[in-house]
Amino acid sequence: MVMTQSPATLSVSPGESATLSCRASQSVSSNLAWYQQKPGQAPRLLIYGASTRATGIPARFSGSGSGTEFTLTISSLQSEDFAVYYCHQYNNWPPWDSFGQGTKLEIK
Amino acid sequence: QVQLQESGPGLVKPSETLSLTCTVSGGSISSYYWSWIRQPPGKGLEWMGYIYGSGSADYNPSLKSRVTISVDTAKNLLSLNLRSVTAADTAVYYCARHSAGWFGELTNWGQGTLVTVSS
Repeated sequence: MVMTQSPATLSVSPGESATLSCRASQSVSSNLAWYQQKPGQAPRLLIYGASTRATGIPARFSGSGSGTEFTLTISSLQSEDFAVYYCHQYNNWPPWDSFGQGTKLEIK
Repeated sequence: QVQLQESGPGLVKPSETLSLTCTVSGGSISSYYWSWIRQPPGKGLEWMGYIYGSGSADYNPSLKSRVTISVDTAKNLLSLNLRSVTAADTAVYYCARHSAGWFGELTNWGQGTLVTVSS
């Protein structure tokens, strides 16, 4: 099971939108989550079930996809959104390679 | 709201055992899956292993011979032991809780603790 995120780094200006991709090597149904990690902090759950925002997550974060192709879209980027984003599948066993390698979203 | 707090030595010598605990407050350790995940400096997330509240654990094959995860339900504690450490085990170590009742998304994370392996 391999989770591949693209791009590795994405440069976007504040106020614009960002689209991050995650591809699974086999179907994970809709059992996919997205996490945000800022420097020096633990990852934070943003999206689960491919498209459901976690508690307290702003509406500018949206997730879509099923099967093997997933997208995290962040609209109207705020300064606090620049971080590393990881996808995580929890459909297939074993879980050891369940995380993508991350996409760094940086300010353009 | 459940909170997780990792604790343990920040420096461990090569060949020794790394021992960390994760104190869970605001919720029971039972009936949930818990994972230990680590992150070497500047790198991605590596799943070390998980345990169910009843005590059934499984480990990443890459670490299997060296790692043990356990729970103390009476104290609401999760523990990690990693034997025979090397510099490659230098990382931030996180404990995390899965969503209610199954091995789903990781809803709650500790703040992480940096462990450096060095003589």
